[in-house]
Amino acid sequence: NAGVTQTPKFRILKIGQSMTLQCAQDMNHNYMYWYRQDPGMGLKLIYYSVGAGITDKGEVPNGYNVSRSTTEDFPLRLELAAPSQTSVYFCASSPTGEVQPQHFGDGTRLSIL
Amino acid sequence: TQLLEQSPQFLSIQEGENLTVYCNSSSVFSSLQWYRQEPGEGPVLLVTVVTGGEVKKLKRLTFQFGDARKDSSLHITAAQPGDTGLYLCAVSNRDDKIIFGKGTRLHILP
Repeated sequence: NAGVTQTPKFRILKIGQSMTLQCAQDMNHNYMYWYRQDPGMGLKLIYYSVGAGITDKGEVPNGYNVSRSTTEDFPLRLELAAPSQTSVYFCASSPTGEVQPQHFGDGTRLSIL
Repeated sequence: TQLLEQSPQFLSIQEGENLTVYCNSSSVFSSLQWYRQEPGEGPVLLVTVVTGGEVKKLKRLTFQFGDARKDSSLHITAAQPGDTGLYLCAVSNRDDKIIFGKGTRLHILP
């Protein structure tokens, strides 16, 4: 089983460029999440979605956008990349929002230069 | 935003020793999860606790949820090099979000 798949695994961007981080899950989970993890830190929630067509902000949404047109996919878009967005980005999914285990992808390591 | 503190931040011990790490807050939570993360990978769920005072065991790992559901501990017996990793606690408060602590980075020396 693939679980949660994130692409790309690594990317280097120049300041001001834009890109989309892809996340797909094949477990038919309703809930999907985007986190960022800075060096030596835990995970901070960027955006989450409780189902197709529904998204909501987390702790650190500024500079990011998301969409959820299907149950399987939850892309994260950076419109104007800034050095402060250099981080490792993790996508996760779960059947429901509470108690249920979250399944994580292996992350996208993004550097903004 | 809930304040979730994990201690210690770093811990390096010899193989075979016992250790305990903590996850504390001033808020009450409906559930708490412990994850382990290895370098270059995403976190992997170890356990979920939902009842105050609950104790769960996973081989050499013992997890306890505080009676007031504000804190939790993870005890590892006879630590092994394979236990090395970043241990994260995460809490949920019935609002569809799961918030993570900064983690305890554990290194077991062979």
